[in-house]
Amino acid sequence: SQQGEEDPQALSIQEGENATMNCSYKTSINNLQWYRQNSGRGLVHLILIRSNEREKHSGRLRVTLDTSKKSSSLLITASRAADTASYFCATDAWPNYGQNFVFGPGTRLSVLP
Amino acid sequence: NAGVTQTPKFQVLKTGQSMTLQCAQDMNHEYMSWYRQDPGMGLRLIHYSVGAGITDQGEVPNGYNVSRSTTEDFPLRLLSAAPSQTSVYFCASSLKGRTEAFFGQGTRLTVV
Repeated sequence: SQQGEEDPQALSIQEGENATMNCSYKTSINNLQWYRQNSGRGLVHLILIRSNEREKHSGRLRVTLDTSKKSSSLLITASRAADTASYFCATDAWPNYGQNFVFGPGTRLSVLP
Repeated sequence: NAGVTQTPKFQVLKTGQSMTLQCAQDMNHEYMSWYRQDPGMGLRLIHYSVGAGITDQGEVPNGYNVSRSTTEDFPLRLLSAAPSQTSVYFCASSLKGRTEAFFGQGTRLTVV
């Protein structure tokens, strides 16, 4: 299985601080994505990084990918209370490109006002 | 644009009962999938479809059936519910060649 594993399982920070969560996976991938899940809701896509990319930015989000270590990190800068959610990494690989996403167990982020 | 719609949102079943979880998308996406989410385990793929008439098994298919007669709909059937199927079920869809998945709001199923 190429299941991703997020680290830490839970993270609690103050508003305005940066939050970093990590994801490790087991096999070669095509893409790695990060999703956010607010309590009781579905997952929302945040950002995708391809296997030939090393870093990507989107607003307050920065994602890095190290394929040699099979790991990725998601950095949320200047966190807000509204960032409180669970964050999941998801990978897909040939021949299931774009079809079967393998999700990690997630990181629960709490941003305290 | 409704996106991915799942019904019902909540359901309680008795052991041995059958039911169908509905999923519909209005984005003309080729790919549709069903996941279950259990505490501490992330999402696990049950079944998926790459187009109308084509389905395949995921990681945890036992006890579930699917069919895809139209592009829009991808129902998930529980044949004989068991307490181990208590979970939150998510339907997702995506465009062929694009990996961003769109998720429904989930169905919380309890089997007693």
